[in-house]
Amino acid sequence: GNSVTQMEGPVTLSEEAFLTINCTYTATGYPSLFWYVQYPGEGLQLLLKATKADDKGSNKGFEATYRKETTSFHLEKGSVQVSDSAVYFCALKRNTGKLIFGQGTTLQVKP
Amino acid sequence: SQTIHQWPATLVQPVGSPLSLECTVEGTSNPNLYWYRQAAGRGLQLLFYSVGIGQISSEVPQNLSASRPQDRQFILSSKKLLLSDSGFYLCAWSVSGTAEAFFGQGTRLTVV
Repeated sequence: GNSVTQMEGPVTLSEEAFLTINCTYTATGYPSLFWYVQYPGEGLQLLLKATKADDKGSNKGFEATYRKETTSFHLEKGSVQVSDSAVYFCALKRNTGKLIFGQGTTLQVKP
Repeated sequence: SQTIHQWPATLVQPVGSPLSLECTVEGTSNPNLYWYRQAAGRGLQLLFYSVGIGQISSEVPQNLSASRPQDRQFILSSKKLLLSDSGFYLCAWSVSGTAEAFFGQGTRLTVV
């Protein structure tokens, strides 16, 4: 079946540090891949997405590249800010299927 | 534009009491609808999935049920809440045949 695995958290970084949150997936066919972000006390917001192999999704300085050969969609940001502190979810979905999430990774950025 | 409304935002209920959480979507027709639960310190668990009125797929056996009485209305219910039902409940929708989903603001349920 389809599944998503994220690196364990929490991830604690200083402001302006480089961020990587690993995400790998298992899926039949060619799913779309997503990163969602959840700020404290709120619902989920779509951060970025990629719909086919080698696509790069980007938004607010975050990037992730759809790597079919390694079945990965790692989230990166060159310089994090305190306001980036949140829970980040990797997810996959096929057009006719369900949205499947990883377990989430908490990011804490300290000034 | 499309919007999703979920209420209430917070809820404290005693063990054994009933539950009804409501979610409505505006600005689209025949959406796919989802209920997720996020327990403390855990990821998102898909509870129910609906592709149309009266069509509900249950993902995990549990104390909850879902109904879709109208095209853009999705209700999560329980007859008798358990302590383990506490968590953050999220409703979401997607356009049938596409991948992206959109989330409501969530309901924080505390069963005491």
